[in-house]
Amino acid sequence: DAGVIQSPRHEVTEMGQEVTLRCKPISGHDYLFWYRQTMMRGLELLIYFNNNVPIDDSGMPEDRFSAKMPNASFSTLKIQPSEPRDSAVYFCASNLRRNTEAFFGQGTRLTVV
Amino acid sequence: QKEVEQDPGPLSVPEGAIVSLNCTYSNSAFQYFMWYRQYSRKGPELLMYTYSSGNKEDGRFTAQVDKSSKYISLFIRDSQPSDSATYLCASMKTSYDKVIFGPGTSLSVIP
Repeated sequence: DAGVIQSPRHEVTEMGQEVTLRCKPISGHDYLFWYRQTMMRGLELLIYFNNNVPIDDSGMPEDRFSAKMPNASFSTLKIQPSEPRDSAVYFCASNLRRNTEAFFGQGTRLTVV
Repeated sequence: QKEVEQDPGPLSVPEGAIVSLNCTYSNSAFQYFMWYRQYSRKGPELLMYTYSSGNKEDGRFTAQVDKSSKYISLFIRDSQPSDSATYLCASMKTSYDKVIFGPGTSLSVIP
């Protein structure tokens, strides 16, 4: 298996633009997580899905952030409009059951200028 | 106060040294404790996973949890340059709870 695949690896955008981050979880995994990592705040859980259904989005910072999982093999995290403080590395992770090891993708490094 | 704290380092040691990485946590309800390793520009990967207090050993790595003092440790014996990475400790209350990560400690093992 290729592991969790995220795209793009790097994204540079101007403030106010819409940004869409993409994730393909490991086949067969039924939990998918979106994290954000910054130097200041470390690794923070934004939202997670179980069987394509959002379970906990309490970590989503603002209404500017939204996430979808239209099917078991694809999820998106959208920021609209983007702001410089959204600059971070965004990770997607998946696991087979809730209490097992989560496998992380390589992350998307987002820079908003 | 963050729920999981660790010294960000950086920590620099010579090859072959014993490394001690430490975390403290504030939530006494935490039952599950993990150590993740994150290489530069990569995602974190699970290194060790323990439940409640006690020790767990895996090769050169030993994880130790002391719930009475809310202290989590990771020991690396015979450290290697390939161990150079950021180490994140993490905790959760139940196996179905969300994982709370510490900020990470950056480790460099010098050949």
